[in-house]
Amino acid sequence: GAVVSQHPSWVICKSGTSVKIECRSLDFQATTMFWYRQFPKQSLMLMATSNEGSKATYEQGVEKDKFLINHASLTLSTLTVTSAHPEDSSFYICSAKGTNEKLFFGSGTQLSVL
Amino acid sequence: LAKTTQPISMDSYEGQEVNITCSHNNIATNDYITWYQQFPSQGPRFIIQGYKTKVTNEVASLFIPADRKSSTLSLPRVSLSDTAVYYCLVGRFYNQGGKLIFGQGTELSVKP
Repeated sequence: GAVVSQHPSWVICKSGTSVKIECRSLDFQATTMFWYRQFPKQSLMLMATSNEGSKATYEQGVEKDKFLINHASLTLSTLTVTSAHPEDSSFYICSAKGTNEKLFFGSGTQLSVL
Repeated sequence: LAKTTQPISMDSYEGQEVNITCSHNNIATNDYITWYQQFPSQGPRFIIQGYKTKVTNEVASLFIPADRKSSTLSLPRVSLSDTAVYYCLVGRFYNQGGKLIFGQGTELSVKP
């Protein structure tokens, strides 16, 4: 099946720094990728939709200047958490749209901001 | 976007069949029904997808009645490793801008 690779798996950073998370579709081209975040014991919350070659579409309440998304190629989307603060600590998960309306998910990135 | 309702949690024992029902009363004509499994600290994993009637694969079956207002995920003979959260999603994204929204999910606990 289709594979989505997400890196890093976990990252610890100091408050005020920026962190970049990469999401790659390894064996298929993904014109559309999605970014979710998940807090402990909660469901996934959609943050934004990333389309190759165009600006990302953010969900209501998600700060686009804080969560920068770049989808420069058909196999790579990146999420940069800028000026991270402890409240940004969360599990971030990317997904890519494959064929037949299936979403394939990365393994997630646990971000801890000190 | 069709909203889904699932039981928050379910308990089962090894070897039993588990059926998780999802309600989606306002499902649209072109919506698919997809189920995902998620283990702690991992991304969701695709289980099964269907549009109507019954779909079966190597790990599960999906039953969808004619009115499509609900669906049932059936896991045959569960094992301890099936302990996870199961999400039912309804939606389509042929067109740009489509997306899948996760509901609360069902936390399945399989006991020995």
